[in-house]
Amino acid sequence: GENVGLHLPTLSVQEGDNSIINCAYSNSASDYFIWYKQESGKGPQFIIDIRSNMDKRQGQRVTVLLNKTVKHLSLQIAATQPGDSAVYFCAEAYSGNTPLVFGKGTRLSVIA
Amino acid sequence: DADVTQTPRNRITKTGKRIMLECSQTKGHDRMYWYRQDPGLGLRLIYYSFDVKDINKGEISDGYSVSRQAQAKFSLSLESAIPNQTALYFCATSESGTGDVDGYTFGSGTRLTVV
Repeated sequence: GENVGLHLPTLSVQEGDNSIINCAYSNSASDYFIWYKQESGKGPQFIIDIRSNMDKRQGQRVTVLLNKTVKHLSLQIAATQPGDSAVYFCAEAYSGNTPLVFGKGTRLSVIA
Repeated sequence: DADVTQTPRNRITKTGKRIMLECSQTKGHDRMYWYRQDPGLGLRLIYYSFDVKDINKGEISDGYSVSRQAQAKFSLSLESAIPNQTALYFCATSESGTGDVDGYTFGSGTRLTVV
């Protein structure tokens, strides 16, 4: 929201194409990972989550992939739409009793 | 009504002033959080509370204090505001008791400018 997208990595995709947003997380012991979407002027909104005992999880038009070997998380958005334009954050947590730690975010810009 | 309400939405204050940002939630959750968002830095945790009697410092608690007045209310104070506290502040809430981490529900944010 507002100017929080300044200095962020930006991904530009054509409407209808698939998008892949990547995230390198920091703690190899993290058990839980979430992707959030933040539209301009709003707070982050939950998209999809995944536990460390999984390597893939699918939702509606979105898929999250987890590679624990290289501490990498990705969010795939199928058939990207203009409404998908936003800043996307990954977040990780060590356990259910530790707060989420957020990545720096990626701006997705959809070209109509 | 929003699940998480933050007031004010925007505030401009002078250096040295004390300011309080308020947050209330209607989710009935025990856990509440304050994050700060700066351009290019993502969200950083200031303080969090897992229940009314619990307060914990986050990554960047210096210069801030909090009060958990009730299950539904968690306020953030800047004791003596300084310009580098200019940022977007978010309150969030989540469930507890399951041992699993749940997605957080965020408020719409408070834009604070310290001049």
